[in-house]
Amino acid sequence: DAGITQSPRHKVTETGTPVTLRCHQTENHRYMYWYRQDPGHGLRLIHYSYGVKDTDKGEVSDGYSVSRSKTEDFLLTLESATSSQTSVYFCAISEDRGIFRTDTQYFGPGTRLTVL
Amino acid sequence: KQEVTQIPAALSVPEGENLVLNCSFTDSAIYNLQWFRQDPGKGLTSLLLIQSSQREQTSGRLNASLDKSSGRSTLYIAASQPGDSATYLCAVTHNTDKLIFGTGTRLQVFP
Repeated sequence: DAGITQSPRHKVTETGTPVTLRCHQTENHRYMYWYRQDPGHGLRLIHYSYGVKDTDKGEVSDGYSVSRSKTEDFLLTLESATSSQTSVYFCAISEDRGIFRTDTQYFGPGTRLTVL
Repeated sequence: KQEVTQIPAALSVPEGENLVLNCSFTDSAIYNLQWFRQDPGKGLTSLLLIQSSQREQTSGRLNASLDKSSGRSTLYIAASQPGDSATYLCAVTHNTDKLIFGTGTRLQVFP
């Protein structure tokens, strides 16, 4: 299994509070991703990073920000949590892709976030 | 906008059956297609990756095919076992490097 950990694994918080989720990898992969998984929607990309300090938005980025100050850590922050952000959040990593873009993504165990 | 659909949403079969899971996508301009497995409460595990230039990939009892022109992929599981019970997800890498997922097929294999 790829060395990916997520913390915390479970969190309950209140509406309006900031929340930060952490993804840590030991694989030295260049690319890191944050997804959320919701019933009926599958997995949707929130933000991704293609290097230290290099990030871009995904499909559902509103209300989220990210930071990557070193290769191994990718942080997801909910600036002011809302009930619609109750979800399971997954981090993923992938290797630097060449012209053929063949690399698969490896997923962490997930963080279950409940916003009351 | 690329959309990925998986049919059926759920499937229940007796042990030993051969089965096929289907995945379709609306835009054939993909770089690759991947099949993942997800166990309840767990993350995703990559099963097979098919590059856009390939027709199929095999791993053990699993065989995935890709027909890019028709926007379809199938995952064939031979001689199913109770341990195969999980949700199977397909995802395509479209005109960017981002994966677009289907909503999955929940498979139950009973003894």
